[in-house]
Amino acid sequence: DQQVKQNSPSLSVQEGRISILNCDYTNSMFDYFLWYKKYPAEGPTFLISISSIKDKNEDGRFTVFLNKSAKHLSLHIVPSQPGDSAVYFCAASAQDGANNLFFGTGTRLTVIP
Amino acid sequence: KAGVTQTPRYLIKTRGQQVTLSCSPISGHRSVSWYQQTPGQGLQFLFEYFSETQRNKGNFPGRFSGRQFSNSRSEMNVSTLELGDSALYLCASSPLTGTGGYNEQFFGPGTRLTVL
Repeated sequence: DQQVKQNSPSLSVQEGRISILNCDYTNSMFDYFLWYKKYPAEGPTFLISISSIKDKNEDGRFTVFLNKSAKHLSLHIVPSQPGDSAVYFCAASAQDGANNLFFGTGTRLTVIP
Repeated sequence: KAGVTQTPRYLIKTRGQQVTLSCSPISGHRSVSWYQQTPGQGLQFLFEYFSETQRNKGNFPGRFSGRQFSNSRSEMNVSTLELGDSALYLCASSPLTGTGGYNEQFFGPGTRLTVL
C-alpha cells in the first residue's frame, strides 16, 4: 500500500517557467516531508523539507507547500532551469524516532531549453 | 567530507544465489538505512541500523538481512535470490543521535543488482 503518492510520472516545462510537482499522502501520522532529486546513476540528493507545523518553506528557487487537511504537498521551482531535469521524489516521515522514509514513485521533470 | 560509498556498484547474480552489499556511511554518522528502488515501486525501506542494532524494519521477507559494524559500516545480504530482487539498492546515512526526531538522510549512489 503506497502511503506517499506522486500521480504524475513525468512533467515537461519550458526553461524560465514554473515547475509544480505534486505529492499526496495517506498516513496522518506523517509530520515531516522532504523532496529529493535524483540524477541517473546517482543516489537521491536532499532538496528541501517542511515540518507539519508549517505550510510553506522556501529555499532559493525552491518552495514547498503543505496542505495538511488535504494531505497534499507540492514543490514549486521558479524559474525552472535545464539543470533541474531529474527525477523528483517526495518522502515522508513520522518522526517517531524511527528513521525511515516513505517515498513516492517519483516524477521525472524535463526542463526544455 | 566524503559521502556515502557503496560497493560494488553493479552486480549480476543468478537465481538461488546469495549476495552481500556493502555501505560506508559519512564519517560520524551512526545511522544507516537501506532502501530498494524498483521502477514501479519507487524507493522502499528495508531496514535501519543504529549502533550495531536493527532499529526498524520494512515489509520485506526474511531473505533480506543486514548488519552494522562498530565503525558504522553496514552490509545487507539477500539469500536465495529471485528475479524480482533485481533493483537498485540504496544506502543512506544519518547523524541521528537516537533521541528521537528526524535527521536528514544522505544517500549513496546505490548498487545495481541484476538477477538472471
